[in-house]
Amino acid sequence: DSGVTQTPKHLITATGQRVTLRCSPRSGDLSVYWYQQSLDQGLQFLIQYYNGEERAKGNILERFSAQQFPDLHSELNLSSLELGDSALYFCASSVALGTGADEQYFGPGTRLTVT
Amino acid sequence: GDSVTQMEGPVTLSEEAFLTINCTYTATGYPSLFWYVQYPGEGLQLLLKATKADDKGSNKGFEATYRKETTSFHLEKGSVQVSDSAVYFCALIMQAGTALIFGKGTTLSVSS
Repeated sequence: DSGVTQTPKHLITATGQRVTLRCSPRSGDLSVYWYQQSLDQGLQFLIQYYNGEERAKGNILERFSAQQFPDLHSELNLSSLELGDSALYFCASSVALGTGADEQYFGPGTRLTVT
Repeated sequence: GDSVTQMEGPVTLSEEAFLTINCTYTATGYPSLFWYVQYPGEGLQLLLKATKADDKGSNKGFEATYRKETTSFHLEKGSVQVSDSAVYFCALIMQAGTALIFGKGTTLSVSS
């Protein structure tokens, strides 16, 4: 158990809908990262927040957005869902900014299925 | 851009066999290198890491050495167990970066 929690575990929704994925980082960790794991794209970095502020952005679609709240939990919002958004979404956290060898601890993931 | 290439799987071995999973990287600077493992139905766990050239990371019998001259970070284990069956990901982070860049993953299946 990494100490990172994600809810829900599974989510099934229809095209065009909007969903929110939630992540609670390990106690004391200030950075939260979101990654997408899909069969065709593999594991891709989406976005990072550090202490409430957006720190880095990867291949995140404009239909997707995230935020980190004062209690440091984070939410990833996915809207106008398409079939291709079906994937496993991981949250990770680290103590600090995550540069160099700062270890990232991964949650169990949320499996999103868009029908 | 920066990238990681790892050998295609699946890799199928008998218990107690020797394991090698190849990983090479392309990077403009000097990254830190990682191996993550994903057991069925679970998230990723850090297996080992190395932060500079010639460093050897090791954990649970697994080892990998950061080779700058060959831009490689191959994962090895002398004697695999059934419980090692999982997907293994090689990854890097650039010194000033924060995003892990992953390879496509290699599935290992060990039979008794």
